Amino acid sequence: GDSVTQMEGPVTLSEEAFLTINCTYTATGYPSLFWYVQYPGEGLQLLLKATKADDKGSNKGFEATYRKETTSFHLEKGSVQVSDSAVYFCALSDRNSGYALNFGKGTSLLVTP
Amino acid sequence: ETGVTQSPTHLIKTRGQQVTLRCSSQSGHNTVSWYQQALGQGPQFIFQYYREEENGRGNFPPRFSGLQFPNYSSELNVNALELDDSALYLCASSLVGGNYEQYFGPGTRLTVT
Repeated sequence: GDSVTQMEGPVTLSEEAFLTINCTYTATGYPSLFWYVQYPGEGLQLLLKATKADDKGSNKGFEATYRKETTSFHLEKGSVQVSDSAVYFCALSDRNSGYALNFGKGTSLLVTP
Repeated sequence: ETGVTQSPTHLIKTRGQQVTLRCSSQSGHNTVSWYQQALGQGPQFIFQYYREEENGRGNFPPRFSGLQFPNYSSELNVNALELDDSALYLCASSLVGGNYEQYFGPGTRLTVT
């Protein structure tokens, strides 16, 4: 079945450092790919998405490109801020699963001043 | 536009009891999905409701059941609670026929003792 694998955390970075969180997926169809963010004590917020190969999703300085050839959707940000500290989840959905989201285990990011 | 709301925020139950969690969809959405997020894990899909019927189910036993009402709000019922049911329960709404993006509520934290 479909699955998502993302890098284990926690990731600790200094403010203004470059961020990469790796995400790879396995899917039989043509999924849409998502990054969600969860701040402490809160629910999930959609950060960005891409619905087909070579699409780039972007929001709030974060970017991710849907790479079908490497089945990847890595999250990047050029300069992180303390306020970016959160848990980041990579997820996919497709028509075969009724568009239910299939999540990775999450990567915790801590940004220090 | 009203976002997804969930009640209650926190709940403590005893093993063997039954619990009902509630969710109000975002305005204009017709589909509700429920997810279970254990501590330190990614959310796991429980089931989805569309037009008041179950429209997909994850790997959860029948003691997890749900309802969707004509106003698209929803309930998650869990019978015979087990300690492992302790988790954050997230509700997400979306629009079938739209972009299928899922918007999450803040969650209900269930503790089973």
